[in-house]
Amino acid sequence: SQQGEEDPQALSIQEGENATMNCSYKTSINNLQWYRQNSGRGLVHLILIRSNEREKHSGRLRVTLDTSKKSSSLLITASRAADTASYFCATDSNYQLIWGAGTKLIIKP
Amino acid sequence: DVKVTQSSRYLVKRTGEKVFLECVQDMDHENMFWYRQDPGLGLRLIYFSYDVKMKEKGDIPEGYSVSREKKERFSLILESASTNQTSMYLCASSLALGKAGGKETQYFGPGTRLLVL
Repeated sequence: SQQGEEDPQALSIQEGENATMNCSYKTSINNLQWYRQNSGRGLVHLILIRSNEREKHSGRLRVTLDTSKKSSSLLITASRAADTASYFCATDSNYQLIWGAGTKLIIKP
Repeated sequence: DVKVTQSSRYLVKRTGEKVFLECVQDMDHENMFWYRQDPGLGLRLIYFSYDVKMKEKGDIPEGYSVSREKKERFSLILESASTNQTSMYLCASSLALGKAGGKETQYFGPGTRLLVL
């Protein structure tokens, strides 16, 4: 059961530009999380935002959550080559996380 | 730092073989999870465990079983491997207590890429 859907599926930008990815979901949530996956590796947790929060920052990352629209966005500012990865949102449902298919981000030098 | 390790990065097995994938976490986490990841499908939960000897089915448990005899170790077993089980397998753990801990931050191992011929 796929709850979160990331948009776009793929994004290619120049180094130094900002990258924005979106996640939409279907049912009410307690929290939404963003993870990063470098090519062929495990996932790394980036940010968890709870349903009563609207915005959260961590370094160059900014996450917003709009529960009325059932959507979230992840903004990476001043992108670097090392940000090249796939980014996944995950929402909570019963006892588990439900994952989207991810956005593949490529940072061009 | 939380460390989650998986026994193999790459595995090649034959159809019908019994396959064991092992996962160990070193942070005394209560919850552990097994996912498979296929292109375009995101992560799908196979099984999770919220305590020693406790297990719960995820979305796609068919063809798999799990074992958790010790808190730090969670094993995924493919009873009779089939070609449609070729995939990337990811193990994760979560500190939060009880079944609801599955909704909190998860820490992942590096993954095992399994090829079944």
